[in-house]
Amino acid sequence: AQSVTQLGSHVSVSEGALVLLRCNYSSSVPPYLFWYVQYPNQGLQLLLKYTSAATLVKGINGFEAEFKKSETSFHLTKPSAHMSDAAEYFCAVTGGTGAGSYQLTFGKGTKLSVIP
Amino acid sequence: DTGVSQDPRHKITKRGQNVTFRCDPISEHNRLYWYRQTLGQGPEFLTYFQNEAQLEKSRLLSDRFSAERPKGSFSTLEIQRTEQGDSAMYLCASSRDDQPQHFGDGTRLSIL
Repeated sequence: AQSVTQLGSHVSVSEGALVLLRCNYSSSVPPYLFWYVQYPNQGLQLLLKYTSAATLVKGINGFEAEFKKSETSFHLTKPSAHMSDAAEYFCAVTGGTGAGSYQLTFGKGTKLSVIP
Repeated sequence: DTGVSQDPRHKITKRGQNVTFRCDPISEHNRLYWYRQTLGQGPEFLTYFQNEAQLEKSRLLSDRFSAERPKGSFSTLEIQRTEQGDSAMYLCASSRDDQPQHFGDGTRLSIL
């Protein structure tokens, strides 16, 4: 079974400041990890994915995340926040390949606000 | 790649009525998933199709819920005898095998 905990339901940063959104996971098998972004009244858009290759993963819109097995973490960062980054962000885990690989388990989400 | 399409975008209905939602996945995607998202929560898995076969159903999918994917292309999700607790965003996603899932914009269901 897999689970995800996102620390902080709401994060506010100033425009141009560092964005750090925290995600910790639990998985009984080597996990595949994802970050998705959701804008109001829209579906989820994939930002980046970790699938057991490089531990530092670069995604779209300048976001990146680092897989740390020892800390069971997959935090999302962006060096400089832009107003257009304001949205809700979801961390998700699957069981990699094979059994359980089809089912995404999501965290509760972190709403990012960017202050001008 | 025209994306995952869901219809309708919004549905308002009275308690006790039946509703049906449609999802058209990305054309070459063999896997299709349904999720439910309530306010302030992340999406929760409901069910999964590999081509036309429904291979997994969550315990969240009560007997009032049924999903089909008759020809391995589009899918429908039907809720019978709707209840207040069914109010949510219903999201469809598709993928090619174990590749990342692509989501539609969802159908928002409101029960009066």
